[in-house]
Amino acid sequence: GEDVEQSLFLSVREGDSSVINCTYTDSSSTYLYWYKQEPGAGLQLLTYIFSNMDMKQDQRLTVLLNKKDKHLSLRIADTQTGDSAIYFCAESRITGGGNKLTFGTGTQLKVEL
Amino acid sequence: NAGVMQNPRHLVRRRGQEARLRCSPMKGHSHVYWYRQLPEEGLKFMVYLQKENIIDESGMPKERFSAEFPKEGPSILRIQQVVRGDSAAYFCASSPTIQGVGEQYFGPGTRLTVT
Repeated sequence: GEDVEQSLFLSVREGDSSVINCTYTDSSSTYLYWYKQEPGAGLQLLTYIFSNMDMKQDQRLTVLLNKKDKHLSLRIADTQTGDSAIYFCAESRITGGGNKLTFGTGTQLKVEL
Repeated sequence: NAGVMQNPRHLVRRRGQEARLRCSPMKGHSHVYWYRQLPEEGLKFMVYLQKENIIDESGMPKERFSAEFPKEGPSILRIQQVVRGDSAAYFCASSPTIQGVGEQYFGPGTRLTVT
């Protein structure tokens, strides 16, 4: 089955690192994604990782994938107040029926001064 | 290149009325996905369309909901005889391909309130 889980809240101080965790169940996932949603807005794709990779780094963002444990994390270095948002992980399987994304429930990141 | 456009951004309907939500994909994108986000929840897949074809509607409620993506014009998500439980944010995403990353670009959403 397809199920993606995340913790609901995370609070960090400005300048610290944030780590947002996600677990998924579909071992045939092809890509895993991290999206950011600011209040009242749509989703912005932050980064993605192919399922045969362990790590991907993109500026302040580091994605770690443990395929054995089906665990995905997003680390944001030097977290800023502008990073306050809801972060969704999502998994996909590309089939003839398209690239349907299954989203987690989202983690609300609050950055305090 | 304009992003994915959705309108209206906010829609208020009374119970029993019809809601029509529009989505214009990014230029050159022929794949459209609709997702629904209930309050305090993540997005749930509803339907995937290509031009003039519904490819996967496994996430769509069997009754009252329909979607289309005509040859010309935007994709439409139609909800007939709305009920309070239909109140949600509806997001459209478009993609140029389903190959490779199959990256989806999301619109700003339509927030439907049923009174």
